[in-house]
This record gives sequence, C-alpha cells and structure tokens, in this order.
Amino acid sequence: GQSLEQPSEVTAVEGAIVQINCTYQTSGFYGLSWYQQHDGGAPTFLSYNGLDGLEEKGRFSSFLSRSDSYGYLLLQELQMKDSASYFCAGPSSNTGKLIFGQGTTLQVKP
Amino acid sequence: SQTIHQWPATLVQPVGSPLSLECTVEGTSNPNLYWYRQAAGRGLQLLFYSVGIGQISSEVPQNLSASRPQDRQFILSSKKLLLSDSGFYLCAWTSGGRTEAFFGQGTRLTVV
Repeated sequence: GQSLEQPSEVTAVEGAIVQINCTYQTSGFYGLSWYQQHDGGAPTFLSYNGLDGLEEKGRFSSFLSRSDSYGYLLLQELQMKDSASYFCAGPSSNTGKLIFGQGTTLQVKP
Repeated sequence: SQTIHQWPATLVQPVGSPLSLECTVEGTSNPNLYWYRQAAGRGLQLLFYSVGIGQISSEVPQNLSASRPQDRQFILSSKKLLLSDSGFYLCAWTSGGRTEAFFGQGTRLTVV
C-alpha cells in the first residue's frame, strides 16, 4: 500500500532544534515534500527532496534517504510562530497522486 | 505567477442540500488537480485527483463527485449532503511529476 508515517506530536522550546521524521511505503517514488499548516489555514509548501541528501532553506532543512525510505524536516532556532502542523507528502504510485502523512503537531514553548 | 482560487471560504448547509465548490488555477497549463478533505486536527484525505479535462480519479467511496470541465477548473459536488461531509475542503495543484503542491484557501463546510 501507499502510506507515510510521522509522529503525531512534538514539543520543543524556543531557540531549540527539532527533527520531524517521515517514513514511507510507496511505489514509483518521485520525491518527498514538506508542508506547514497553521490553525485554520491551508498548507503551504516548505521544501522538496527529489534526490538523497540535505536541502537547506534558512532555518528549515529537509533530508531524504531513498534506500531507507526515510526523510526528515529539521527546524532550527525555533520561534513561537513555528507552532503548527507539519506534513510530509509523496506520490502514491507511478500516477503521481500526492498522498500526505497524518501530520505532526509542533508546539513551541517559551 | 501561478495562483489558485477556491471559494467560498465558509459554508453552512443543511443535510440533504446540494453542494458545489469551485477551484480555478491561473498561470499554468495542464496542472494536476486535487480535492482533499481535512477533519479537525487530522491529516489530508485525498478525495479526487485529475490529470486532465474529464479525467477524474475517485479515491474514497462517498456521496461526492468531481468534474473538470476546463483545463484549470475543478469542481466538487454533492447532490445530497450528509452530516459526515462536514470538514475543511482543500483544492490543490501540482505540475508534472513534482510533488510541490499549491493550495487554495480552503472551504470550511458545516453540514447542519
């Protein structure tokens, strides 16, 4: 089947570093992307990994290991505004349908 | 630049009434289009997926349907709403084989 697994909740303090993991089971894999969603809003795109390795975008970085079917989102220098839900997403099959994980709720505490 | 429009933002409908949600994309051609539903505090459930005009893939059995009458227009419909249809409906598009998706503002539907 096609699925992406991620932890349901993560808590961290302001200024810290947090890593949100995502493991997946999909066929015809074409990449892994990450999205942020604040309460009441729509998801917004954060990053995309099409190849193995680390992609850095300011405070946010994302990593992919296709051999391990695993990726993570790394958030550094956490700020209160980073409190949100984070979703990993990937294609379910060779059709390219985009399937999302169940999301990880990040709570940043002072 | 590409933009996506989804409306309305909120909707309250009685049980048994019809539904029509519309989504349009600007600035790109032949996008892959998606309808997702999100229950409160939950993940995004893929409802429908379309790779072209008139080509709709239904992912979940339900009383909803989708249509794509034009390349950049995607419509979600129901003939008779159920209480369980309440949720946050999101339209999104991707280009080609990439998984970078762009979302509309969403429609918060409450069936009463």
